[in-house]
Amino acid sequence: KNEVEQSPQNLTAQEGEFITINCSYSVGISALHWLQQHPGGGIVSLFMLSSGKKKHGRLIATINIQEKHSSLHITASHPRDSAVYICAVREGTSGSRLTFGEGTQLTVNP
Amino acid sequence: EAEVAQSPRYKITEKSQAVAFWCDPISGHATLYWYRQILGQGPELLVQFQDESVVDDSQLPKDRFSAERLKGVDSTLKIQPAELGDSAMYLCASSPGLAVGQIQYFGAGTRLSVL
Repeated sequence: KNEVEQSPQNLTAQEGEFITINCSYSVGISALHWLQQHPGGGIVSLFMLSSGKKKHGRLIATINIQEKHSSLHITASHPRDSAVYICAVREGTSGSRLTFGEGTQLTVNP
Repeated sequence: EAEVAQSPRYKITEKSQAVAFWCDPISGHATLYWYRQILGQGPELLVQFQDESVVDDSQLPKDRFSAERLKGVDSTLKIQPAELGDSAMYLCASSPGLAVGQIQYFGAGTRLSVL
């Protein structure tokens, strides 16, 4: 069992739909990251969370530390949101190693 | 906007050959990471530097992989000899330091194909 699990693995949506991607982890963490990876490989950091909720534009990220669960929401999805979304956790309180989930491939059709 | 530079973007090599990848982190970033990402999987940390020192190389296959960051700025990752299973995307990332609140900034990666 992976320490970081994402669901779903693949998600296809129609433009305008509300999208949720989930991340569960099994270890104690100091922070959780949501990352976006476009075809070609470049990775962009979307959010870093240690508690509560963050919002940036159409993206919302929430985390429940007690339940060891985080969600990434995209409102009014657009084809340009199509990418792989990766959840990564920073374990414990020391060091800066990130453990990554396997990613969720999102395709938004026009 | 400052970014992490990697080269080459693509590399094709035959097995048993040597390959090298280069990374130039964002200026002033003390921490540099090399990741390997196999298709369909999340990145896996290979090695982490703090300035010129290795902080974590526990996942680096040291029989064939080596990494250096001699002056604490840019870094080179080498594979010798390359094997078919090394085909993957190699990502470099940097962050200002090791503190919990630091975001890692990723380069575009080098996609390696071993034939």
